[in-house]
Amino acid sequence: QSALTQPPSASGSPGQSVTITCNGVGGDVGGYMFVSWYQHRPGKAPKILIYGVDKRPSRVPPRFSGSISGNTASLTVSGLQAEDEAVYYCGSYAGTNNPWVFGGGTKLTVL
Amino acid sequence: EVQVLESGGDLVQPGGSLRLSCTGSGFTFGNYGMSWVRQAPGKGLEWVSTISGGFDGAYYADSVKGRFTISRDNSAKTMFLEMNSLRVEDTAIYYCAKMGSQKDFDYWGQGTLVSVSS
Repeated sequence: QSALTQPPSASGSPGQSVTITCNGVGGDVGGYMFVSWYQHRPGKAPKILIYGVDKRPSRVPPRFSGSISGNTASLTVSGLQAEDEAVYYCGSYAGTNNPWVFGGGTKLTVL
Repeated sequence: EVQVLESGGDLVQPGGSLRLSCTGSGFTFGNYGMSWVRQAPGKGLEWVSTISGGFDGAYYADSVKGRFTISRDNSAKTMFLEMNSLRVEDTAIYYCAKMGSQKDFDYWGQGTLVSVSS
């Protein structure tokens, strides 16, 4: 599984939308795309935002959404809030040989 | 409420050994895979190892294969990571994570710090 590529930084003003990309997600495994997104604030536990490409846990606000096009997955944060400042990671599963990999992380700044 | 809690991090010399533990609560522990993910200082997240709920699979990153061993005791709701032949580059915060339904990591602990230094 090759590394996933994310932009190192992204920014937006409160209320705006920002999209973070993740390039290099593997082809589907058994017919499913196993792509997930995580939010990591300094000193805190990472938190899942999206799983299965575009599914959102009920505890995550609907401002967070996921999508995919070809081998590039995307996370969109709508209605930016100051509390959204964090590092965001994509993750992908691609089979039983070194199966899980994370992107390098994107630091989101709310201006 | 689902919670996972790590323990066992410490300062150890290169070549030494350490055992991390992760205890789960708020869910049926034996029904879920569990994983370790680490973050070295100034770096991003790195997957380390995963063990299935039913003991039928254990997986390792190439960087730790042959040195680390993952195991679990479902009766004690606890997962372990036995780390041997530790290297300076193993220095990191080690997070325990519960596996979700789509090969994702749906709940994470606060992490435990492993420092490898002479």
